Amino acid sequence: QVQLQESGPGLVKPSQTLSLTCTVSGGSISSGSYYWSWIRQPAGKGLEWIGRIYTSGSTNYNPSLKSRVTISVDTSKNQFSLKLSSVTAADTAVYYCPIMITFGGVIVSDYWGQGTLVTVSS
Amino acid sequence: EIVLTQSPGTLSLSPGERATLSCRASQSVSSSYLAWYQQKPGQAPRLLIYGASSRATGIPDRFSGSGSGTDFTLTISRLEPEDFAVYYCQQYGSSSWTFGQGTKVEIK
Repeated sequence: QVQLQESGPGLVKPSQTLSLTCTVSGGSISSGSYYWSWIRQPAGKGLEWIGRIYTSGSTNYNPSLKSRVTISVDTSKNQFSLKLSSVTAADTAVYYCPIMITFGGVIVSDYWGQGTLVTVSS
Repeated sequence: EIVLTQSPGTLSLSPGERATLSCRASQSVSSSYLAWYQQKPGQAPRLLIYGASSRATGIPDRFSGSGSGTDFTLTISRLEPEDFAVYYCQQYGSSSWTFGQGTKVEIK
């Protein structure tokens, strides 16, 4: 059973860079067709898509965050990462790293970590 | 960016009742790229419906999805206690994915 675990600092100072890593266990992320994604959720609010990398290596980011976001994947370590620069309090949220399995380009299944709370505060 | 608007914001129903949730897109979305997720308090979301109408693995058949173009619907035929949760629609047909704001199904 594939499991995902987000890790990284739970507290980040304003203007600094938020860095999170998602480690995949119980399976390899180097085969198959996947979207490695980052999604966040401020407390009591809805889901916000941050960005994703497809198996092909193509990346797409939320236009509202694009200038500050980098998502990368290291298949040798079964990990993918998120960097979000110049953070403000508005970036405080639970961050999730779902892997979405595709078939013919359609998401047919998913795996999610439990999420990690990142607070931006001095 | 495609905006997804879900209605109603909150649905108050009793167990055994039918729930009908709506998701309207600001422009046409390919049905292939419309999904529904369920999120319970303190948990990560999970995929319920993909391709607008196909149930994900392990999802009970009381959940069904329908629709095309700009109007999509998630129906729960008979609510079970474990179905009270927040439901989100998502589109990923464009390069920028978006979620609806969610519909909370609560116990009446």
